Amino acid sequence: GENVEQHPSTLSVQEGDSAVIKCTYSDSASNYFPWYKQELGKGPQLIIDIRSNVGEKKDQRIAVTLNKTAKHFSLHITETQPEDSAVYFCAATPQQAGTALIFGKGTTLSVSS
Amino acid sequence: DAGITQSPRHKVTETGTPVTLRCHQTENHRYMYWYRQDPGHGLRLIHYSYGVKDTDKGEVSDGYSVSRSKTEDFLLTLESATSSQTSVYFCAISPTGGPYEQYFGPGTRLTVT
Repeated sequence: GENVEQHPSTLSVQEGDSAVIKCTYSDSASNYFPWYKQELGKGPQLIIDIRSNVGEKKDQRIAVTLNKTAKHFSLHITETQPEDSAVYFCAATPQQAGTALIFGKGTTLSVSS
Repeated sequence: DAGITQSPRHKVTETGTPVTLRCHQTENHRYMYWYRQDPGHGLRLIHYSYGVKDTDKGEVSDGYSVSRSKTEDFLLTLESATSSQTSVYFCAISPTGGPYEQYFGPGTRLTVT
């Protein structure tokens, strides 16, 4: 079945720097790749997603890139702010699983001012 | 939290007792999901529903049952709770269905002693 690996598990940056989180997936038929942000004590929040027919998508300081050939996708956060500190999860949806999202294990991002 | 409430938010119960968690949405979306979140495993799908009385199993459905008698409510039942079911449980909804655009509730922290 689908396997999603996420790196790094922890990431510390200075305010204003960029942060990049990478995920790889195993099922070449996967066609949907969302990113979630989870703050302490809260549910995951969908922050951006991309489908397999698109290579890049941006929303203000956040962007996601997808490389289908290499089967990896990345989250890019520019001009980081302390409020970006959270756990970020990537996910992929294998075609055979229908409704399921397979999540990576998360990256704890710390932005220091 | 996308118009989703979960109750209770915290619960401690003893091994062998039945437990029911409730997810309520205010937006009448057809698709609803139950996930559990555990350290080292990320988020995993337990069951999902694609309409009233229409449900199906997810990746980790053993020991769990669900019911959906109204569009707005999706119940998760642990028939006989075990310590391995200690977890944080999240409900999610999707306006579009399938794996796409899933929005999560605030979660229920369940401890089985």
